Amino acid sequence: GNSVTQMEGPVTLSEEAFLTINCTYTATGYPSLFWYVQYPGEGLQLLLKATKADDKGSNKGFEATYRKETTSFHLEKGSVQVSDSAVYFCALMNAGGTSYGKLTFGQGTILTVHP
Amino acid sequence: DVKVTQSSRYLVKRTGEKVFLECVQDMDHENMFWYRQDPGLGLRLIYFSYDVKMKEKGDIPEGYSVSREKKERFSLILESASTNQTSMYLCASRPNEGSYNEQFFGPGTRLTVL
Repeated sequence: GNSVTQMEGPVTLSEEAFLTINCTYTATGYPSLFWYVQYPGEGLQLLLKATKADDKGSNKGFEATYRKETTSFHLEKGSVQVSDSAVYFCALMNAGGTSYGKLTFGQGTILTVHP
Repeated sequence: DVKVTQSSRYLVKRTGEKVFLECVQDMDHENMFWYRQDPGLGLRLIYFSYDVKMKEKGDIPEGYSVSREKKERFSLILESASTNQTSMYLCASRPNEGSYNEQFFGPGTRLTVL
């Protein structure tokens, strides 16, 4: 079956530090990969996605590259801000057939950024 | 903008009560999902629906049921609430068109069962 593993958290950084949150996956076929973000008191919102190998998703200064050879989709940002403090979830979707777009999520990584 | 709303942000119930969590989406999406979110476990799929009156079990359906009588509304039912169902419940919807369309999430309902 499908599974997603994220790096253990929580992660605490100072403003302008470099961020990496590791994500690896196990899946059949060719899944799509997503990063969702959950700000305090809110639901999840899509941060970025990649639908095939070597695709790079990017949004709000965050980037992640779909690496099929290492089954990874690590999230990076060059300079974090206090407003990036949130919970980050890596997820995969097997498209088509009877999947109906079901997502398999990692356990989430809490990021706290201090001024 | 897609809007997914959930009937309550916070809910407190007693063990054994029947609990209804309501979710409504305004974008005519075919697929709707219920997840529970627990620290260290991420989001786990309880049930999903791909059409009116159609439903399928997710990874953790025990103790839950669902109802989808209208396309825009998907209800999660706890027939007899137990303390281990204390959690954050998140609803999501997604259109059929396009294989890689994202899911859109509601704000969540934090349920406490005493």
